[in-house]
Amino acid sequence: NAGVTQTPKFQVLKTGQSMTLQCAQDMNHEYMSWYRQDPGMGLRLIHYSVGAGITDQGEVPNGYNVSRSTTEDFPLRLLSAAPSQTSVYFCASRRQGSSGNTIYFGEGSWLTVV
Amino acid sequence: QQQVKQSPQSLIVQKGGIPIINCAYENTAFDYFPWYQQFPGKGPALLIAIRPDVSEKKEGRFTISFNKSAKQFSLHIMDSQPGDSATYFCAASGGATNKLIFGTGTLLAVQP
Repeated sequence: NAGVTQTPKFQVLKTGQSMTLQCAQDMNHEYMSWYRQDPGMGLRLIHYSVGAGITDQGEVPNGYNVSRSTTEDFPLRLLSAAPSQTSVYFCASRRQGSSGNTIYFGEGSWLTVV
Repeated sequence: QQQVKQSPQSLIVQKGGIPIINCAYENTAFDYFPWYQQFPGKGPALLIAIRPDVSEKKEGRFTISFNKSAKQFSLHIMDSQPGDSATYFCAASGGATNKLIFGTGTLLAVQP
């Protein structure tokens, strides 16, 4: 029962470096999303996808890129990391359709940009 | 602009007490209101959810109260236990995109 798998768990980047956070789900969910969690800010939606080849922006998309070439994978790219992107990142997925479909989260990726 | 407002930011109760966490929303297109529980170092997990066609939903010790006219909903935890100590998030979704929007979270500590 893998569910939603995120890698890496922890990462330290220097300002200006690029990296990709990986996310994979094995539940055949159409909908996938990335959130960042910051103290006092809750979980804020970065980008989401309703299916392969379809992506859209969430509340805080600036500085992040995504793509969805397969149903299973939804990587999040930081092209030029900034200290403001220090955060905990969560990938999540659910079946598309009803707004009541349960969303499942990964374990999180802790990113520090120095 | 925060679409889902949550309060309080933190809450301390004694074992057996009934913590109450409140949320308010603005978008009338929202039609699904879940609560998530998060333990340190883990991702959020669904705790309980409600649709606006009912005013209350109960699952075990957890109850959601929903007031559609006021656009507010709340989580009550009956007979709280130290194991309930966690961060709780309310959320809302609905409308054309079904994006799930979260509140800012409440850190609950249940003291033995």
